[in-house]
Amino acid sequence: DAGVTQSPTHLIKTRGQQVTLRCSPISGHKSVSWYQQVLGQGPQFIFQYYEKEERGRGNFPDRFSARQFPNYSSELNVNALLLGDSALYLCASSFVVSYNSPLHFGNGTRLTVT
Amino acid sequence: AQTVTQSQPEMSVQEAETVTLSCTYDTSENNYYLFWYKQPPSRQMILVIRQEAYKQQNATENRFSVNFQKAAKSFSLKISDSQLGDTAMYFCAFMKHNNAGNMLTFGGGTRLMVKP
Repeated sequence: DAGVTQSPTHLIKTRGQQVTLRCSPISGHKSVSWYQQVLGQGPQFIFQYYEKEERGRGNFPDRFSARQFPNYSSELNVNALLLGDSALYLCASSFVVSYNSPLHFGNGTRLTVT
Repeated sequence: AQTVTQSQPEMSVQEAETVTLSCTYDTSENNYYLFWYKQPPSRQMILVIRQEAYKQQNATENRFSVNFQKAAKSFSLKISDSQLGDTAMYFCAFMKHNNAGNMLTFGGGTRLMVKP
């Protein structure tokens, strides 16, 4: 079975632009989470979605938004990009959102803002 | 809010030897879960080992084991018989006991280099 897939792998954008990152969960998984990993730091939680509903939101500005589609794939949107948004964006999927449902991570999208 | 601290930015170990990575956390929760994840250069986070806070017995997965000290809020990872493929970033992570979500709070990571 395919793992969590993210696209694109790498992305370069200019300050002020908007970006959309995509994630396809493992088949059968209904929850998708997004994490931001700035270089040299641990990942930080951005959003979690389950059955197309937002289940959690981290401490990120409103420039960050996400949604989950009926096929459980997800998009993360970031508006008005800042240099500080440069990071590795990780997507994780799980079957449900219980503590007993392990998270499976993708290889991430490396976003560079110039 | 929970915080996770990894005080060792970098560690190195000779192949076949044992190394211990440290992690402390702060929480007011009584029921929670702790994890160690490995992130190789491929960037994918891989679950190494998991510990339920209500279990007194330390978790073990092959060459990987933890020393969980709940009162001290300490959760260290021991890697025995280190292999070159263990070279990676290692992250300690915390999850609340919660059926509404399974969000992780990560530490800052420890870079482990296994030397031949």
